[in-house]
Order: sequence, then structure tokens, then C-alpha cells
Amino acid sequence: KQEVTQIPAALSVPEGENLVLNCSFTDSAIYNLQWFRQDPGKGLTSLLLIQSSQREQTSGRLNASLDKSSGRSTLYIAASQPGDSATYLCAKGFQKLVFGTGTRLLVSP
Amino acid sequence: DAGITQSPRHKVTETGTPVTLRCHQTENHRYMYWYRQDPGHGLRLIHYSYGVKDTDKGEVSDGYSVSRSKTEDFLLTLESATSSQTSVYFCAISKDSISSYNEQFFGPGTRLTVL
Repeated sequence: KQEVTQIPAALSVPEGENLVLNCSFTDSAIYNLQWFRQDPGKGLTSLLLIQSSQREQTSGRLNASLDKSSGRSTLYIAASQPGDSATYLCAKGFQKLVFGTGTRLLVSP
Repeated sequence: DAGITQSPRHKVTETGTPVTLRCHQTENHRYMYWYRQDPGHGLRLIHYSYGVKDTDKGEVSDGYSVSRSKTEDFLLTLESATSSQTSVYFCAISKDSISSYNEQFFGPGTRLTVL
């Protein structure tokens, strides 16, 4: 069974810190790796998608990398802000996404 | 926001009652999905559709059926709701495999409680 693990489950940082969220998976035949954020009581917002043939994607202060050989993806958030507080989810696959259980991030002013 | 609406947004029902959730999109995307989200399990795929009348099972399809008679609508039916189906249900859409690499966009969710 494919598994996706996100560590840590929760993270609390002061505003301005750079931080890294981790996503690991057991199956290297990855297809896509997609990162989402979810605010409490809301749906998921797509942040970045890395195709299987790519190594990284960037959007503003976010950078996501993919290392299939080690079964890992990381989401780097630069200069964190209180508005970044949310749960971050990674998912691998193509049509049938398999999700991690998320990292709950709190950025304090 | 991707043009995805879900109805109802909240529903409380009793065990054994049939329930239908609706997902409506205005994007004319080919693929539509139903996921459920539960504490400790994350999001899990129930069913998905790759075209009108074309559907396939996901990881947790037992107890659920789906139908897609129009591109814009994807229905999820619980034939006889059970308490284990209490969850938040999300619909998602994606354009196609070639131009968008199947990036998925999610609706706002439906919170279903089965008493």
C-alpha cells in the first residue's frame, strides 16, 4: 500500500523564520507530487505541483523540491508570516492522489 | 477560486437513510473526484470520474456509489448511511492529463453527520 508521511505533525515558529515541511513516500513511481494548504473548516488550496520529471517548483515565497530516489519532497517557506498559518498537505499520484496527514503550522507575530 | 460548488454544505441524517451529495463545476474539466477527510486518516479517494458515465473506484469505495450524467455534475450517493460515514466530503476537479498535469482543485466541502 502506498503511504505518504508528513513530519512534523505540528510546527510553531515566530514570524520571519524560514521553514521546511517534509513529505516522504514509499513508492518511487511517483507521477506527480502536489502541495496544498487547508485553512480550518475550508477546502484545500493548491500551492505547487511537481511533475515526476521535475526536481522543483517555485511560487513566490514557496519552493517545493522532489527527490524520487530518497522518496522525499520538501516545501520551503521563506520569511514566514502569520497568514501562512494553516495545515499543509502533500499528495502523490496522478488521478488517484494519496495524501499525507498534514503538518499544522502556526506562525506567531 | 476554481468554479466548484458542493451541496448541501452541511447535513445531519439518521442511520439507514439514503443521502446524495452534489458537486457542480463551471470549468468544463474532464475529471471529477470525491474524497473524504477524517481525523487520523487524512483525505482518501472514494470514487472518481474521467468523463460522462465513466467512473472508477478509489481506496474507500464500499458503501458509496456515484453518477455523472453531465460534464458539470458529479453525484455521490450513500445508499444507506452508517455512522462510519460521518465525515467531511470534498469534491475535486482536474482539467486533463496533458496540459495541466492533472493538478487537482478542491471544492469547499460538505460536512455530513450520521446519527
